[in-house]
Amino acid sequence: GENVEQHPSTLSVQEGDSAVIKCTYSDSASNYFPWYKQELGKRPQLIIDIRSNVGEKKDQRIAVTLNKTAKHFSLHITETQPEDSAVYFCAASGVYNFNKFYFGSGTKLNVKP
Amino acid sequence: DTAVSQTPKYLVTQMGNDKSIKCEQNLGHDTMYWYKQDSKKFLKIMFSYNNKELIINETVPNRFSPKSPDKAHLNLHINSLELGDSAVYFCASSHRTGDTEAFFGQGTRLTVV
Repeated sequence: GENVEQHPSTLSVQEGDSAVIKCTYSDSASNYFPWYKQELGKRPQLIIDIRSNVGEKKDQRIAVTLNKTAKHFSLHITETQPEDSAVYFCAASGVYNFNKFYFGSGTKLNVKP
Repeated sequence: DTAVSQTPKYLVTQMGNDKSIKCEQNLGHDTMYWYKQDSKKFLKIMFSYNNKELIINETVPNRFSPKSPDKAHLNLHINSLELGDSAVYFCASSHRTGDTEAFFGQGTRLTVV
């Protein structure tokens, strides 16, 4: 099955700084790469996603880049705010054998005011 | 009008007991999942069902038995509960195509004492 690795496991930044979280995946057939944010005690919720036919996608302060050749994708958060503090998960999925949504191990982001 | 709902939210039980967690989605999705999130926050896929058929069983002990009476429901029954089963269990659903968002339920915190 798919193997998704995520780094770093924890990330502490000052408010206003940028944060970058990186993921790699193993199955070249994966073609959908969502990012989820999980606040303490709550469910994971989608914040941005990218499909394999594009290399970059941006939504306000959040952007995701994808390098299919290298099989890695990254989440970029600019101008971080304390409310960005949460655990972030990357995932890889694809239609090759029904969708499976394998998740990375998570990154705990702490934005210090 | 909750999209994915699971019950109960909290479940405290003794070792050796049998318990069930119910999940329902009203999004018209074909695929439903069960994930286990342990204390380290790993989101590990347990099962995936597509239109009532089992697609994935990720080396889960056979004490765990999912049941899908229809494509809108995926319940999880656990026999002979062990201390190591303590975790948060999330139900999720998505379209079969594998390239759209997976929606999560609010989670069930299972504590085995």
